[in-house]
Amino acid sequence: QKEVEQDPGPLSVPEGAIVSLNCTYSNSAFQYFMWYRQYSRKGPELLMYTYSSGNKEDGRFTAQVDKSSKYISLFIRDSQPSDSATYLCAMTDRGSTLGRLYFGRGTQLTVWP
Amino acid sequence: DAGVIQSPRHEVTEMGQEVTLRCKLISGHNSLFWYRQTMMRGLELLIYFNNNVPIDDSGMPEDRFSAKMPNASFSTLKIQPSEPRDSAVYFCASTTDRGGTEAFFGQGTRLTVV
Repeated sequence: QKEVEQDPGPLSVPEGAIVSLNCTYSNSAFQYFMWYRQYSRKGPELLMYTYSSGNKEDGRFTAQVDKSSKYISLFIRDSQPSDSATYLCAMTDRGSTLGRLYFGRGTQLTVWP
Repeated sequence: DAGVIQSPRHEVTEMGQEVTLRCKLISGHNSLFWYRQTMMRGLELLIYFNNNVPIDDSGMPEDRFSAKMPNASFSTLKIQPSEPRDSAVYFCASTTDRGGTEAFFGQGTRLTVV
């Protein structure tokens, strides 16, 4: 079993839809949870960052972490064609991993007009 | 700061040839990661360094792959000899070693071995 599991999709939705992306993980030491967005032929870029459990909102994006279930989510409201990209979840612990991130495989999202 | 810089952006080479990929870290970062990305496997960690020292190379596919960090700001990933199955996008990323901090990725090197 991989440390982080993520459904690769692809996911295709119409403009304006609410998108839900999810990851599960197995290592209870993870405390920092991130979502990276990767456009075609580009490197991943940090989109959202959450520490421990709870919700974090940034514009149309909401990140949720449920440590008891080892489950994280990213919600995109009022999705736009410009949101079309691959979304990768990533996580790490406090410092023992020297900054190493554990990534999911990524979910490919297409938002059509 | 220009961010993490990788070169070349694209590389096409014949099977059996040596390939060298290069990465310049962000100033002040001391952890460096090499990843390989394919459609089938996603983002795979190959090796990572902390303060120029290789910490974990268990992701390196085989002896044909080697990585070095000759100084605090630069790293190379070498494949010798290259094979068609090495075709992928190779990313390097840098961060600090405090954990829980953002990793910055380069634009990647798209390698095609024919």
